[in-house]
Amino acid sequence: GAGVSQSPSNKVTEKGKDVELRCDPISGHTALYWYRQRLGQGLEFLIYFQGNSAPDKSGLPSDRFSAERTGESVSTLTIQRTQQEDSAVYLCASSWGGLALNNEQFFGPGTRLTVL
Amino acid sequence: ILNVEQSPQSLHVQEGDSTNFTCSFPSSNFYALHWYRWETAKSPEALFVMTLNGDEKKKGRISATLNTKEGYSYLYIKGSQPEDSATYLCAFGTGANNLFFGTGTRLTVIP
Repeated sequence: GAGVSQSPSNKVTEKGKDVELRCDPISGHTALYWYRQRLGQGLEFLIYFQGNSAPDKSGLPSDRFSAERTGESVSTLTIQRTQQEDSAVYLCASSWGGLALNNEQFFGPGTRLTVL
Repeated sequence: ILNVEQSPQSLHVQEGDSTNFTCSFPSSNFYALHWYRWETAKSPEALFVMTLNGDEKKKGRISATLNTKEGYSYLYIKGSQPEDSATYLCAFGTGANNLFFGTGTRLTVIP
């Protein structure tokens, strides 16, 4: 079956522009996560969606970052007024349930964002 | 932010050699330890989810052990093959909605 897909695979933008990243989770997965990996650092949690519950936004680094998810489908991560430190690989993952149930996460291929 | 450390940062081994690397994590608030394998230009792939002290998991030539009291996990690869070349990530879970990842061990298997 289809895995998690993300688009675009690469995005180069100028400082100050807004960008939107998309994630299509595996059908039926109720949980969806966004992470990012900056150069030389570990994967950093950004935000978590579970079904129709309020998202856990505790990992978002600033108010320039926001994410939406409609039901249990597509999610978009928006970064406004991008800065050079936003350059990273942004990964999306989905799972049947939350991590509290020790469910396996399935990752997408990521979007490499470069802010010039 | 919880500190998860992996060592070594990178290593090169000859095809056929066995190897292992370490993930260190806080020994308090432990819920689960995840191992992932991340090949270049691909998605991270889950290897193991470990929850119990003393747990040992195995998948083919790859196995992992867990010591929650001292806060470490070892990943072993027996008879390394070039296709094992990847970055191996561990991630610590507290039972909340996120995982704390290490920076990974980049393994290169030389044919």
